[in-house]
Amino acid sequence: QIQLVQSGPELKKPGESVKISCKASGYTFTDYAMHWVKQAPGKGLKWMGWINTYTGKPTYADDFKGRFVFSLEASASTANLQISNLKNEDTATYFCARGDGGPDYWGQGVMVTVSS
Amino acid sequence: DIQMTQSPSVLSASVGDRVTLNCKASQNINKYLNWYQQKLGEAPKLLIYNTNNLQTGIPSRFSGSGSGTDYTLTISSLQPEDVATYFCFQHNSWPWTFGGGTKLELK
Repeated sequence: QIQLVQSGPELKKPGESVKISCKASGYTFTDYAMHWVKQAPGKGLKWMGWINTYTGKPTYADDFKGRFVFSLEASASTANLQISNLKNEDTATYFCARGDGGPDYWGQGVMVTVSS
Repeated sequence: DIQMTQSPSVLSASVGDRVTLNCKASQNINKYLNWYQQKLGEAPKLLIYNTNNLQTGIPSRFSGSGSGTDYTLTISSLQPEDVATYFCFQHNSWPWTFGGGTKLELK
């Protein structure tokens, strides 16, 4: 069955960096794009962008240009999200989600807490 | 950017009720509209894609309709397990955007 399994929760200080992983199984990794979605505590969903898993080309929504990097380890069917220079407002759950016409299958989410 | 506005923000209904959730886009999204269900503490789940296509494994009491800027998710007979927040999502124009959500509660 199709599964996206994300790495565990993270507690970081402002200014630090974090890297979240998303391991896919149950389908051919390069056949579908991988999206990233942010959900701040108690808030709605915000689409961050996506990465073409065939070419490796990322596309970022405007609010996520600069400190956010989408990358792949295609041989391991894994997508990664790295956030640098963390700020308090980056505290959120980050989801990876497979899909071409919008996300269909989702990872379980990773809670990233930024606190001094 | 296309703004997606969902209404109502909170809906209380009884088991067995027919429930309608609304989503309005700030411009035509050509039926590229998905609906997601998110239960507390869980990841979102795709219910409906491209306005009216039921995702595999989703009960037939869920249906979607709409065109242009106005879209609807209908639950024909509300069940207790349908308590959740529902989000619409447009994938017609970059950047893709979610609505703010409708929280569905039991009366």
